[in-house]
Amino acid sequence: AQSVTQLDSQVPVFEEAPVELRCNYSSSVSVYLFWYVQYPNQGLQLLLKYLSGSTLVKGINGFEAEFNKSQTSFHLRKPSVHISDTAEYFCAVTSQGAQKLVFGQGTRLTINP
Amino acid sequence: EADIYQTPRYLVIGTGKKITLECSQTMGHDKMYWYQQDPGMELHLIHYSYGVNSTEKGDLSSESTVSRIRTEHFPLTLESARPSHTSQYLCASSEGQSGYTFGSGTRLTVV
Repeated sequence: AQSVTQLDSQVPVFEEAPVELRCNYSSSVSVYLFWYVQYPNQGLQLLLKYLSGSTLVKGINGFEAEFNKSQTSFHLRKPSVHISDTAEYFCAVTSQGAQKLVFGQGTRLTINP
Repeated sequence: EADIYQTPRYLVIGTGKKITLECSQTMGHDKMYWYQQDPGMELHLIHYSYGVNSTEKGDLSSESTVSRIRTEHFPLTLESARPSHTSQYLCASSEGQSGYTFGSGTRLTVV
C-alpha cells in the first residue's frame, strides 16, 4: 500500500524568504508524485507533477520539487515567497496501475510581512 | 476556465432536508471522485466512479450516495441532512496518470 507523510502541518515564513515543504512517500513500485495548492474556500489546483525523466520538476507560481528515489522524498521549494502563496499544500502519490491518488495530510504555509 | 463544475458553491439547509450536490466535467474523464474536507483539514475520499454505472464507497464511511448515469455527471445526494454533514465537499476527475482536476467545492452548512 502507498502512503504519504507531510512532515510539517504548519510552516510560517517571512515574505521574500525561501521555503521548503517536506513530503515523504512509501511505495513498493515506481511512483508518480504531485503537489497541489488549495487557497481558502477553493478546490485544489495542480502545482506540479513528476511522472518520469528529470528529477527536478518546475511548476506554476515559481515552485519546484525534486524527486529523490533513495530518500523516497518529493520536497517542494520556492526561493522567495509572496503573501499570495499563503495556502494549504498537499502532496500526493500514485503508481502505474493504481486507480487512486493517495494524499498527505496537508501543510499550511503562512507568509508573514 | 474551469473544466469541472460544482454547484452550489455555498448551501445552508435545515436538518432533515434532502440535498443533491452537483458535479459535472467537460473533459470526458472516466474516473470521478468525491472528497469531504473539514476546514484546514485533510481530504477524505467518500465515493468514486471508474465509469458509467460504476460507483464505489471510499475510505471514509458516508451516509451520502452517488450515481453515474452519464460520463460527465456525478451527483452526490444526502437523503436527510444533519449538522454532522456540515463540511466542504470536493469533486474531482482524472484520466490516466496526469493527476486529478478539482472543482471549486461546495461548502455545506446544516442548521
